Amino acid sequence: EVQLVESGGGLVQPGGSLRLSCAASGFTFSSYWMSWVRQAPGKGLEWVANIKQDGSEKYYVDSVKGRFTISRDNAKNSLYLQMNSLRAEDTAVYYCARPLFGGVIVTPDCWGQGTLVTVSS
Amino acid sequence: AIRMTQSPSSFSASTGDRVTITCRASQGISSYLAWYQQKPGKAPKLLIYAASTLQSGVPSRFSGSGSGTDFTLTISCLQSEDFATYYCQQYYSYSWTFGQGTKVEIK
Repeated sequence: EVQLVESGGGLVQPGGSLRLSCAASGFTFSSYWMSWVRQAPGKGLEWVANIKQDGSEKYYVDSVKGRFTISRDNAKNSLYLQMNSLRAEDTAVYYCARPLFGGVIVTPDCWGQGTLVTVSS
Repeated sequence: AIRMTQSPSSFSASTGDRVTITCRASQGISSYLAWYQQKPGKAPKLLIYAASTLQSGVPSRFSGSGSGTDFTLTISCLQSEDFATYYCQQYYSYSWTFGQGTKVEIK
């Protein structure tokens, strides 16, 4: 069974940092692009970042460029999101997501349960 | 960035109704369009990809159509479990964007 389990969320002050992790199982992690998608409380979905299988290509939404870094460790079947210079508007549930097909960057069909990040003083 | 605009933002409907949600892209995205259903406190669920391909396990009352800039999601006979929020998403570019969502409420 495909599983994605996020961790690392919590309460952080504005300007602070947090590192999210996503543990993947049930599929060949190294064969898939991976993504982070977030959802602010009561708001819609917002894509955050994509990373290629080998980490050689990364894409970010403009609002997090220069502050967030997506990375992966294929040996550990894990995806990460390093979040620096956090702002109140980064408050959201962060989902780890896997695309429908391996090898290509396509829409996700598998999502984790999400981890809540709250940025507040 | 490609902007995705859904309409309406919300509406009320009754069980058994045929409902249609539209999604418009700010530029052509071919058929790189997906539809998701989300219920409160849950992760999104993929319904349709490639504009019209039904994801495995999704009931056939859901259908999608369109290409280029204009797309629709149709639920042919609304069931109680279909009351939720629906999102379109483009994956034409490596920088994805979602529509703002359409909430389907019980009349």
